[in-house]
Amino acid sequence: AQSVSQHNHHVILSEAASLELGCNYSYGGTVNLFWYVQYPGQHLQLLLKYFSGDPLVKGIKGFEAEFIKSKFSFNLRKPSVQWSDTAEYFCAVSSYNQGGKLIFGQGTELSVKP
Amino acid sequence: EAQVTQNPRYLITVTGKKLTVTCSQNMNHEYMSWYRQDPGLGLRQIYYSMNVEVTDKGDVPEGYKVSRKEKRNFPLILESPSPNQTSLYFCASSSQGQGAYGYTFGSGTRLTVV
Repeated sequence: AQSVSQHNHHVILSEAASLELGCNYSYGGTVNLFWYVQYPGQHLQLLLKYFSGDPLVKGIKGFEAEFIKSKFSFNLRKPSVQWSDTAEYFCAVSSYNQGGKLIFGQGTELSVKP
Repeated sequence: EAQVTQNPRYLITVTGKKLTVTCSQNMNHEYMSWYRQDPGLGLRQIYYSMNVEVTDKGDVPEGYKVSRKEKRNFPLILESPSPNQTSLYFCASSSQGQGAYGYTFGSGTRLTVV
């Protein structure tokens, strides 16, 4: 079955540390890739997306992600996290082979210590 | 402002008492969807609608009903809620099929069934 897997359930970092959250998917064919962020008590907001072109995409608040097709991965990165980045992060994938349905990973909770 | 509006934000109810969570979007989106979010499971799709009077089951439809009589509204109905439906619910809309190009999410409804 098609799936999206996020490697870490909970990540704890100190401010200014670098961040990398892993995301792998098992779809074949053309995919659209997303990272959403959910701040405590709030709804999901789009952080960045990849449809085609440059596999390194930049999003809001200094986040970026790299699509590596050969590894079926779309990892999220940020060079220096802030306390305000404390949130839950969701990777999501849509595949045209699956009628464009958007499938979410399990989520990674990020806690940044001041 | 473009948005998806859900009501209520919080709801506590008793087992078996029918309830409806409303969802409305003002972006003229054709596609709408309901998700539930549970710890460690990410977001799972309950039902979706491709257009007025067109609805279909998602991955976890048991115990839920939906209707799409107007383009802007997509209510979620729990005819006989049970404690295992205690969850955080999100409505989402998209201009293209099944969120393939990303969703706009509502603020969420936290439901507790006792």
